[in-house]
Amino acid sequence: DIQMTQSPSSLSASVGDRVTITCRASQDIRSHLAWFQQRPGKAPKSLIYAASRLQSGVPSQFSGGGSGTNFTLTINNLQPEDFATYFCQQHNAYPYTFGGGTKVDIK
Amino acid sequence: QVHLQESGPGLVKPSGTLSLTCAVSGGSISGNWWSWVRQTPGKGLEWIGEVYRSGSTNYNPAFQSRVTMTLDTSKYEISLKLTSVTAADTAVYYCARTYYYDASGYKNLDSWGQGTLVIVSS
Repeated sequence: DIQMTQSPSSLSASVGDRVTITCRASQDIRSHLAWFQQRPGKAPKSLIYAASRLQSGVPSQFSGGGSGTNFTLTINNLQPEDFATYFCQQHNAYPYTFGGGTKVDIK
Repeated sequence: QVHLQESGPGLVKPSGTLSLTCAVSGGSISGNWWSWVRQTPGKGLEWIGEVYRSGSTNYNPAFQSRVTMTLDTSKYEISLKLTSVTAADTAVYYCARTYYYDASGYKNLDSWGQGTLVIVSS
């Protein structure tokens, strides 16, 4: 299975900050990577697919980048509703696998 | 916007069979792959597998021997069966649509149900 490693596992930030989360794949997954946001008690919500394409309806403050094995999710101008846990997921090869998550909380 | 709703017993006995259903509304059930994903505090998010209208499936090898997924186009439902469950199968189970964007092969779990908690306990 392809292992997905996220860093950091948690971070503290303030409203208005810019944060960057990293996801590393154990092998080349080209651009077959998605990012999800999960608020407490809720289902994951799709943010980014194909490494950098914004899911319909997702604000442009979210952006994704990278290819191969190294990927980033950047959140600009952090808003109160953005404090949540973020996951990456690869769909280049079966079985699809997820990163362990990055929790973004309020400083 | 497609809407998904999971349902099923919240408590299953060890060695029993976990059976869940996912109702699909607001979109076509045909022409899409449908996934099941579970979440536990210990292992995080785990993709269990996916099913297509033709009956085609792709299963995670970790569940291969115990899992069956089916799709009922007349009822607009997707089902999951997981046999020989243990406490390790206690989790929140989600159904999700695997959406294919174009011929490039890019896909995404773009719509998710709210999830349902299943506890395995005697």
